[in-house]
Amino acid sequence: DTEVTQTPKHLVMGMTNKKSLKCEQHMGHRAMYWYKQKAKKPPELMFVYSYEKLSINESVPSRFSPECPNSSLLNLHLHALQPEDSALYLCASSQLTSGAEQFFGPGTRLTVL
Amino acid sequence: GENVEQHPSTLSVQEGDSAVIKCTYSDSASNYFPWYKQELGKGPQLIIDIRSNVGEKKDQRIAVTLNKTAKHFSLHITETQPEDSAVYFCAASKYGNNRPAFGKGNQVVVIP
Repeated sequence: DTEVTQTPKHLVMGMTNKKSLKCEQHMGHRAMYWYKQKAKKPPELMFVYSYEKLSINESVPSRFSPECPNSSLLNLHLHALQPEDSALYLCASSQLTSGAEQFFGPGTRLTVL
Repeated sequence: GENVEQHPSTLSVQEGDSAVIKCTYSDSASNYFPWYKQELGKGPQLIIDIRSNVGEKKDQRIAVTLNKTAKHFSLHITETQPEDSAVYFCAASKYGNNRPAFGKGNQVVVIP
């Protein structure tokens, strides 16, 4: 299995809602990532987990809360988001030894009303 | 930190012609250079990569060249086909570093 899966594909939420994005990989990768991508822009790194521990937090607002329950799963909990948070949220994974050779999921298209 | 610039921002080519996208990087310590293809509504997909110990790598119609002295690398697509139409991102990082720097992306349009 060489896929990274993400659910849901689309999500519409109000500014007072709480929702979660989910990501899963079964490639045995020990690094997992969350990116935010705006239209016509490159992915922006948000968080990196290495061996299920948060290793990089790119100064992301606390309304985004990542969680890595085990080596195959990565969640992103959303609360009190703003309309400007609307974007494509991408999950990726990689072997730690190769770092940037990342495998991306299809993304969750998030719209905040 | 690393800064990657990508040119041109859009490229239109006739089907069957070649397409070339160029990227420059700033950090001479960068030693891993992947290229990603992103189709509409999908996540980026790694299509080819190159490490600093080689100057060129080829995979069927796709090739990447690296000039470490000039700090630039290029993606070459030969015999372009309509399915090559997508946004292409270059990136640069240090081997084992989990924070790649992406270029701004290049929209390639292959005209049938």
